[in-house]
Amino acid sequence: DQQVKQNSPSLSVQEGRISILNCDYTNSMFDYFLWYKKYPAEGPTFLISISSIKDKNEDGRFTVFLNKSAKHLSLHIVPSQPGDSAVYFCAASYSGGYQKVTFGTGTKLQVIP
Amino acid sequence: EAQVTQNPRYLITVTGKKLTVTCSQNMNHEYMSWYRQDPGLGLRQIYYSMNVEVTDKGDVPEGYKVSRKEKRNFPLILESPSPNQTSLYFCASSSLRGAGRMNTEAFFGQGTRLTVV
Repeated sequence: DQQVKQNSPSLSVQEGRISILNCDYTNSMFDYFLWYKKYPAEGPTFLISISSIKDKNEDGRFTVFLNKSAKHLSLHIVPSQPGDSAVYFCAASYSGGYQKVTFGTGTKLQVIP
Repeated sequence: EAQVTQNPRYLITVTGKKLTVTCSQNMNHEYMSWYRQDPGLGLRQIYYSMNVEVTDKGDVPEGYKVSRKEKRNFPLILESPSPNQTSLYFCASSSLRGAGRMNTEAFFGQGTRLTVV
């Protein structure tokens, strides 16, 4: 049972345009969501997060939107740069003692110069 | 420098031969965990630990053991490895913030590529 889903395995975007990566979840108990970026032969690195009490969080070119009613979050990258080409994972967790972290399957983003 | 260190980076072993992958962090994080990454399946959590002597199963714990005797170390043990445990493994650590023990951003190691033949 995949509780966190990234339905697009890959995405290609022109440099300078917006990249939108999507993530859906099924467990309404999730209250903290994170995005990680992964380059080949490296471990994932943290990008941005959002708590369930918010619907938007921004950090430079990266913005995460959370729609709790739809159980959907998205990562917007504006403007996209070739160095953004990587695999992006969304992850979800919930507090209160049960601390499993569930990751999505990843979306490979290619930014074309 | 804040880091999570895994060893070894690459390992080829035979079925049934016990092995240990070490993981160490220098950030005094309470939370540590192990993941495996497989094509099309993303990152799946194997085990996690919220503090010394406190460990719990993730989504795919079968065939693995862990221990947390010290805060900085969290080794992954495969007592009898099988070919279906061939995978890319990541260790990660993070802090738990606030009264709700919110699990914040994780720092990952470089990964261990394990092949079981």
